[in-house]
Parts: sequence; C-alpha cells; structure tokens
Amino acid sequence: RKEVEQDPGPFNVPEGATVAFNCTYSNSASQSFFWYRQDCRKEPKLLMSVYSSGNEDGRFTAQLNRASQYISLLIRDSKLSDSATYLCVVFGGTGGFKTIFGAGTRLFVKA
Amino acid sequence: GAVVSQHPSWVICKSGTSVKIECRSLDFQATTMFWYRQFPKQSLMLMATSNEGSKATYEQGVEKDKFLINHASLTLSTLTVTSAHPEDSSFYICSARKEAQRNEQFFGPGTRLTVL
Repeated sequence: RKEVEQDPGPFNVPEGATVAFNCTYSNSASQSFFWYRQDCRKEPKLLMSVYSSGNEDGRFTAQLNRASQYISLLIRDSKLSDSATYLCVVFGGTGGFKTIFGAGTRLFVKA
Repeated sequence: GAVVSQHPSWVICKSGTSVKIECRSLDFQATTMFWYRQFPKQSLMLMATSNEGSKATYEQGVEKDKFLINHASLTLSTLTVTSAHPEDSSFYICSARKEAQRNEQFFGPGTRLTVL
C-alpha cells in the first residue's frame, strides 16, 4: 500500500463547477498535511496547509480526518486557471521527519 | 511564503560530463533541503535529504557517488550529477523546509537537465 494515495484522475469539469479531491495516508503518526499545486513543467507550489478543524482560503476548503486518515480538498466555482495537478502531502510520523507526496490528481477545467 | 532559488534553470550537456545544480533559500535558513527528480507525467521522486553540516541521506536506489550533495551552509545546497548519461535527463527540483512554518516545504523553480 502506498503511504499517500490519491485518485490520479483526470477530473474534467466545466467552469463554475465544484470539485473534490480525496487523499488517504497510511502513517497514523503523521504530523502535518498540505495540498500543493503543480502546473505542467513547473515546480509544486503550496496551496494550503490542512488542519483538523478544517480551513478555508477563498474558493478552496481543506479538511483532515485523523481517525480515518483522510484529507480532502474542495474547489468551488472552478476557474480555467485551476487546471493543474494537485498533490496531497504528508509530513512526519514514525519514520521520522520525512515528507511524502501523493502522485497527484490531475484537474482540467473547461470553458 | 518563502523564496527558494535554483540555478541553472536549464542545462544541456554531453554524456560523461558533470553538472552542478545550486539550491538557495533566499529569505530563511533551512537546516534541511530536499532534492527531487521528476520524469514527464510522473510524480516527484525524493532522491535525498540534505542536512546542513552533515552527510545527505539518500533514498533507496539513488547512487550517492553519482549524485553528490553538499549542504555547506544554512542557505545553500548543491547537487552534482557526475558522469551524466542520457537517462539522467530529467527535471530536478530542490525544496527547503521552513521549520518555523509548520514544516512547510518551499520549492525552487527546478532545473531541466538534458544529457545528449
């Protein structure tokens, strides 16, 4: 089983749609959780950290469920510019201070 | 946020030569930096963890004698690809961890290496 698993997609959605991505992680001792965005041929960029209480940043909402070891990202009112690969990232745990990246979920937003 | 620079952004070299890539954290100190490699349409693959003042920790399957890492200061880590071959052609990305900011990692813009 992979340490961080994501549905690779692709998700094809129209502009204005709401889309949700899910991610599961295997190490229950993981400490920090993030969503990164990576555009084609570019470096990953931090989108947002994920907190147990849930957090929102504009059209983006992230949730963490430690009991189920599950992370989600919700994008509302999708824009064409949201087209990218979204990486679920987990830091720390019993293996030490290591960052584990999911393989990413590809999103295409179309006009 | 935080700024991480990487140099060069792209390089083309002949097979057998060595290539050095620099990674700098510009506005914060990073005791830990990471080196990744990404092939087209694939996910990031961690190559090694670079710790300031000590030897790098390499992931399984990554040859330490081929990919030399030096983390001489809190703001600079270098990756040298020795005796490069065409199969080493890839996108190399470094990142630096900002411990004071929940261990978030900030990435450099990447270096695209093409070995002829």
